[in-house]
Order: sequence, then C-alpha cells, then structure tokens
Amino acid sequence: EVQLVQSGAEVKKPGESLKISCKGSASIFTGYWIGWVRQMPGKGLEWMGIIYPGDSDTRYSPSFQGQVTISADKSISIAYLQWSSLKASDTAVYYCARQRVTLVRGNYYYYYMDVWGKGTTVTVSS
Amino acid sequence: QSALTQPASVSGSPGQSITISCTGTSSDVGAYNYVSWYQQHPGKAPQPMIFDVSNRPSGVSNRFSGSKSGNTASLTISGLQAEDEADYYCSSYTRSSTVVFGGGTKLTVL
Repeated sequence: EVQLVQSGAEVKKPGESLKISCKGSASIFTGYWIGWVRQMPGKGLEWMGIIYPGDSDTRYSPSFQGQVTISADKSISIAYLQWSSLKASDTAVYYCARQRVTLVRGNYYYYYMDVWGKGTTVTVSS
Repeated sequence: QSALTQPASVSGSPGQSITISCTGTSSDVGAYNYVSWYQQHPGKAPQPMIFDVSNRPSGVSNRFSGSKSGNTASLTISGLQAEDEADYYCSSYTRSSTVVFGGGTKLTVL
C-alpha cells in the first residue's frame, strides 16, 4: 500500500529543538520528491518545501528558508523536518506528502501532492 | 508569495452544483497549467481531487471537475452530496519555483 506514516504529536517549550519524521515504503520514496505542508490552527495550507531523497536536493519556500531544515535518509525511506529553536508560532499540524514533479526542458515543475501522511501536531508552549 | 484568493465559504443543496473560484496572478495560476485542488475533512489530511487544472486522480468521482481561464481556476462539484461538505484548497506552481495554496473555502451542504 502506498502510504506515508508520520511521527506522533509533540509538545515542546519555546527554544527547544525538534525533528519530526515521515516514513514511506521504498516504492513511494524511490524516484519521488517528498514535501512538507504547514497548517496552523484554524488556518489554511502552506507549502514549506520539498526534498528528493535520492540525492537530498532540497527546495524551500522563501517563507520557511532558514526557519526549518528538511532532510532525508533514503536508506530507510524517511524524510525529516526539524527546528533548532522552536517558537510559539510554530504550533501547527505538519503534513508530509509525495510531491509529483515533472521535468520539462530542464526545468522542474511541482504539479501536485498525491499521497499525504496523517499529519503531526506540534504544540509549542511555555 | 501571496496566497491564492478563494471565497471563504460556499453552500449548496444536495443534488445542486457549486463552483469554487481560485484567483491568482500571471506568475502562478495564469502562467502554468499546474493547478490542483484538495479536499480536507475536519481533522483529516488533505486529499487531491484535481491536478493539472482538470485531471482527476484515480478514484475521484467524476462529479468533480476543474477548469481555468486566465488567472482564475475553478472547481465545480455537481450532484452535491452530504459527504462533499469539507474545506477545499487550490494550489499552483509559481514562477518562483515554489507552490502556493489558496486560503481555503468551506463548503456547506444545506
């Protein structure tokens, strides 16, 4: 079955670090990009960035560049999203999803996210 | 990158058709046919309903259809059913090589 399994809910204090994970089957990781999407409480979806686990090529939304780190370990089919110093405003549900990408005349185009994890709730509160 | 503009809410009765608009710019919706739509039920992960403006992923009902004109994309749901009540989000690839989502539309089935 094609699925992404995300790590469990986290409760952290401001300033703490955190790394959440997203594990997929080899079939879902191999040759595909994995992305992260934030959904703050009661708000909409925000695209954070994507990674190609095959070579760790990573692309960030300017809004999240420098705020988080996306990484992956292709040997165990896991992608990660991490923070070095959490803020209360990082409180949200974070989804991982397989980002479908097409290569046209040397340019990558990210056209949709077809498989989604169930989400990881991150709560940052003192 | 500003979010794409969607109406906050739409409603319809069972059996009716509704259309949700998604307005962007010439740097995103107007520039590419890489518009997709997602359905999200409360407490659940989003699920794709339309990709590449008008294509349905396998398993999605043909009651869902998509289109685009200029900088505005649209999602139409025909034969409205109670199970269609959810939040809907559009998204588009952008000239900045990122993806932008719409603010979301809450669909109420009366």
